[in-house]
Amino acid sequence: DAGITQSPRHKVTETGTPVTLRCHQTENHRYMYWYRQDPGHGLRLIHYSYGVKDTDKGEVSDGYSVSRSKTEDFLLTLESATSSQTSVYFCAIAPSGGQNTGELFFGEGSRLTVL
Amino acid sequence: GESVGLHLPTLSVQEGDNSIINCAYSNSASDYFIWYKQESGKGPQFIIDIRSNMDKRQGQRVTVLLNKTVKHLSLQIAATQPGDSAVYFCADLPSGYSTLTFGKGTMLLVSP
Repeated sequence: DAGITQSPRHKVTETGTPVTLRCHQTENHRYMYWYRQDPGHGLRLIHYSYGVKDTDKGEVSDGYSVSRSKTEDFLLTLESATSSQTSVYFCAIAPSGGQNTGELFFGEGSRLTVL
Repeated sequence: GESVGLHLPTLSVQEGDNSIINCAYSNSASDYFIWYKQESGKGPQFIIDIRSNMDKRQGQRVTVLLNKTVKHLSLQIAATQPGDSAVYFCADLPSGYSTLTFGKGTMLLVSP
């Protein structure tokens, strides 16, 4: 257990509503990531953070924003959810040096359904 | 659990057999290659990595082979057990970057 908690674990929402997913870590790691996982596409990077207020886009960032106001929390926001954003979302952290070797610890995932 | 197994190539083996899971990569400028295991309903779990200047690395019951000539990575699992049933993803870390690119995964099914 790398001390990663995702919330909510399951959410059903309607098209056009805002949604925020939270990733919380207890070990003060600098690098945090948000991935989405869809059948046939594997894991795709949405956004990542390399420190407080330091974030960057990933492969599939359109329609998503992130914020990191403190080390332990990395928030993913869908400003206006669409059905194409129905997915399982995973948060990950890189333990010390992990961002240089690819060793990440993942959370348990948040399943989002947009109707 | 989460339906991550749809549309995935599947390898079915008997308990006790050795398993070989293959992965082709495209970025010849990657520093590290990594294997992850994902059990149903859970997040991916790091298994083993190999640096680009190595050909082989062994862990506990697992061996990763890297063939840079043909851009091929493989994960060998010795004496496969039912608990090894999962989806396995390869990933690579491009040089100078801190973000992984994942492959689409292979489902391993182990029958007793």
